[in-house]
Amino acid sequence: ETGVTQTPRHLVMGMTNKKSLKCEQHLGHNAMYWYKQSAKKPLELMFVYNFKEQTENNSVPSRFSPECPNSSHLFLHLHTLQPEDSALYLCASSPNGASGGNEQFFGPGTRLTVL
Amino acid sequence: AQKVTQAQTEISVVEKEDVTLDCVYETRDTTYYLFWYKQPPSGELVFLIRRNSFDEQNEISGRYSWNFQKSTSSFNFTITASQVVDSAVYFCALSEAFGNEKLTFGTGTRLTIIP
Repeated sequence: ETGVTQTPRHLVMGMTNKKSLKCEQHLGHNAMYWYKQSAKKPLELMFVYNFKEQTENNSVPSRFSPECPNSSHLFLHLHTLQPEDSALYLCASSPNGASGGNEQFFGPGTRLTVL
Repeated sequence: AQKVTQAQTEISVVEKEDVTLDCVYETRDTTYYLFWYKQPPSGELVFLIRRNSFDEQNEISGRYSWNFQKSTSSFNFTITASQVVDSAVYFCALSEAFGNEKLTFGTGTRLTIIP
């Protein structure tokens, strides 16, 4: 248990569906992250939120829309995805996204399959 | 730009053998942090170690040890007397020391311990 939970753990969706991934951290951290993990590729940082403000958008297509209502919750809204978006989506948190050097704590991920 | 290279894609060893996972990094920063994470089949990345670029002392934690050599930009990880529970994907990562806690990951090494 890392203190970061993600739901759902598995999601299968069609290309025309709209779904959302949820992440919650119980660690009192101020920074939260979304990563995409595809087979045989490094983890790709998608978004960074620090104190609820988005500080990084790593050229992510607009069909991925993040939302951070507070420092404990992070969502990733999905719409009109492509099959190549199938991957493991990992959420992470860290104490302070602006200080450097702190480890990130990861959730178990959502395995997304786009048909 | 930062880059982390894990040249070993997959390694298999027989239980109780020692195994070393290689990590080579590139950065223009003079101060930075290096990390190792373990990803078991359950999916979440588990933090193993953080090393500051000014601290080149090797570290040992039980069966795990890390060899940090700035001269060769390497941060290798050795498991002594491997066990089946060590089977996982291991990621090396690099972050800046100031300004943010973004991690640059390598592609990972899948380690399989054969009973």
